[in-house]
Amino acid sequence: GNSVTQMEGPVTLSEEAFLTINCTYTATGYPSLFWYVQYPGEGLQLLLKATKADDKGSNKGFEATYRKETTSFHLEKGSVQVSDSAVYFCALSEGAAGNKLTFGGGTRVLVKP
Amino acid sequence: GAGVSQSPSNKVTEKGKDVELRCDPISGHTALYWYRQSLGQGLEFLIYFQGNSAPDKSGLPSDRFSAERTGGSVSTLTIQRTQQEDSAVYLCASSFRDGSNEQFFGPGTRLTVL
Repeated sequence: GNSVTQMEGPVTLSEEAFLTINCTYTATGYPSLFWYVQYPGEGLQLLLKATKADDKGSNKGFEATYRKETTSFHLEKGSVQVSDSAVYFCALSEGAAGNKLTFGGGTRVLVKP
Repeated sequence: GAGVSQSPSNKVTEKGKDVELRCDPISGHTALYWYRQSLGQGLEFLIYFQGNSAPDKSGLPSDRFSAERTGGSVSTLTIQRTQQEDSAVYLCASSFRDGSNEQFFGPGTRLTVL
């Protein structure tokens, strides 16, 4: 079956530091890949997505590239802010499976001023 | 416009009682999903609706769990004879169709079984 593995947190950074959260996946077909973010006290929000190999998703300064050869979708941001403190979830979906999402375990990121 | 809404936001119940959780999807969204977020299991899929039918119920953890959707809109997740391990945040999401469209999540219902 499908699975998503992402680095465990918490990740603690200083403001303006570089952030990378690793994500790898296992899927039987050709999934779409997502990063969702959960800010403190809020619901899950889509941060970015990529639907095919070599696509780059980007939003709010975050980027992730769909790497089929390494089955990875690592999230990066060049200069984090305190407001980026949140839990980040990597996820995949396959159309044949009704697009249900399979999530990684989540990575908590804390950015200190 | 209005997002996905869920009620109640919090529910505390005693072991053995039945509970009903409600989800109001975004108007026009034909696909609806239920997920569960718990400390031990992370975020896991429960059931998917396309219209009023549920082509994928594979994530329901036991026959104590059931869900229905009426009028292609509101969905209710029912847990019978609740157990302590059912304590979790139950999330609902909706999307326009089961293509590659974004799923929009509700705020969740936090269920605590004493």
